[in-house]
Amino acid sequence: QQPVQSPQAVILREGEDAVINCSSSKALYSVHWYRQKHGEAPVFLMILLKGGEQKGHEKISASFNEKKQQSSLYLTASQLSYSGTYFCGIVTSGTYKYIFGTGTRLKVLA
Amino acid sequence: EAQVTQNPRYLITVTGKKLTVTCSQNMNHEYMSWYRQDPGLGLRQIYYSMNVEVTDKGDVPEGYKVSRKEKRNFPLILESPSPNQTSLYFCASSFGTGGRVGGEQFFGPGTRLTVL
Repeated sequence: QQPVQSPQAVILREGEDAVINCSSSKALYSVHWYRQKHGEAPVFLMILLKGGEQKGHEKISASFNEKKQQSSLYLTASQLSYSGTYFCGIVTSGTYKYIFGTGTRLKVLA
Repeated sequence: EAQVTQNPRYLITVTGKKLTVTCSQNMNHEYMSWYRQDPGLGLRQIYYSMNVEVTDKGDVPEGYKVSRKEKRNFPLILESPSPNQTSLYFCASSFGTGGRVGGEQFFGPGTRLTVL
């Protein structure tokens, strides 16, 4: 079952902040965040593991609430280059499958 | 340059004509995976491989086959393509499984397949 992302779409002005949420109905082992620009392949942003370990890019931060099976991606001081579709991907406990959400379209305007 | 390559990038075929989409990575990654991407549905995993000769089904494996005879290659085979397999396909690889920090996936450029 795919994780649910919210919002489905968001429009920002440069410099504004955004939060994208990802919620799962299954127990999570890890949460992954990717950004995809139109016509391109997804690009890795962040991975968060059960237990608190995380790895990602400097200007992106995220949280992982293991009890609620939720993750949030925080985009601060957004830039035009942040535009794209953001996907969360989950790996549930006991499996090695990746299951991606349906995406959040983010548009940053000048 | 570290990369995942896929071929072909674009393919138009007819129903029932067997085809193979190749995927190769040069990063010595153990984990490889195939996804299809359809509007509104996001990325859905077709098959994945933990290592050579070890493969398993993802969420949408029907109509597809894979093999992993070498660590660097993970071809996707459509034995009898149908129009509902028209989609954008991505191959990806990662150092470890999703449970490890090295689980960052590197995606290939994509293959746009149209089945008439």
